[in-house]
Amino acid sequence: DQQVKQNSPSLSVQEGRISILNCDYTNSMFDYFLWYKKYPAEGPTFLISISSIKDKNEDGRFTVFLNKSAKHLSLHIVPSQPGDSAVYFCAAKTIGTYKYIFGTGTRLKVLA
Amino acid sequence: ETGVTQTPRHLVMGMTNKKSLKCEQHLGHNAMYWYKQSAKKPLELMFVYSLEERVENNSVPSRFSPECPNSSHLFLHLHTLQPEDSALYLCASSQDRGGVGTEAFFGQGTRLTVV
Repeated sequence: DQQVKQNSPSLSVQEGRISILNCDYTNSMFDYFLWYKKYPAEGPTFLISISSIKDKNEDGRFTVFLNKSAKHLSLHIVPSQPGDSAVYFCAAKTIGTYKYIFGTGTRLKVLA
Repeated sequence: ETGVTQTPRHLVMGMTNKKSLKCEQHLGHNAMYWYKQSAKKPLELMFVYSLEERVENNSVPSRFSPECPNSSHLFLHLHTLQPEDSALYLCASSQDRGGVGTEAFFGQGTRLTVV
């Protein structure tokens, strides 16, 4: 059973607008959440993270929101740029363990 | 060299061959991972080593055999693979700080094709 789900396989957004990528999880033991970005023929690169003691973390154009009661997190990219076009993976883990559990990814396309 | 380096980047092998994937991390991390990425599936954790000791083994078939000779190097030995094992194999490392969340850093992956 998939513990981390990204239900939108793809998303297209106009340049300059907001991109919102969503992620749901089922395991209430997860307390640390990460977003990774992946370009073709490259490994995933870390983007931003949030621990369960927070509900928001911001880094430049990227903001991650965590709703623990809904077991839902989202990544906001504002403003979106063509270079943001990539596959975005949501991941979750329990602090103190080594298991990073990943979703299936959402392919974001930012249109110029 | 910086980050996590994987070799080779591409590998084509027959079902009777034996080959090895290599991973090296230059980040001073104490944990290393093998993940498998198949099309339209989540990244699947295969193995985790912490301080050269295997701490996770996710029901991976014995035709995949990991080796971690030191905290900077990780190998995945492959033998008698099946075509369905064709995938992108990703190595990662992280620094476990005992209770504080950390991110895993990934290599560029090895694209494996089994013919």
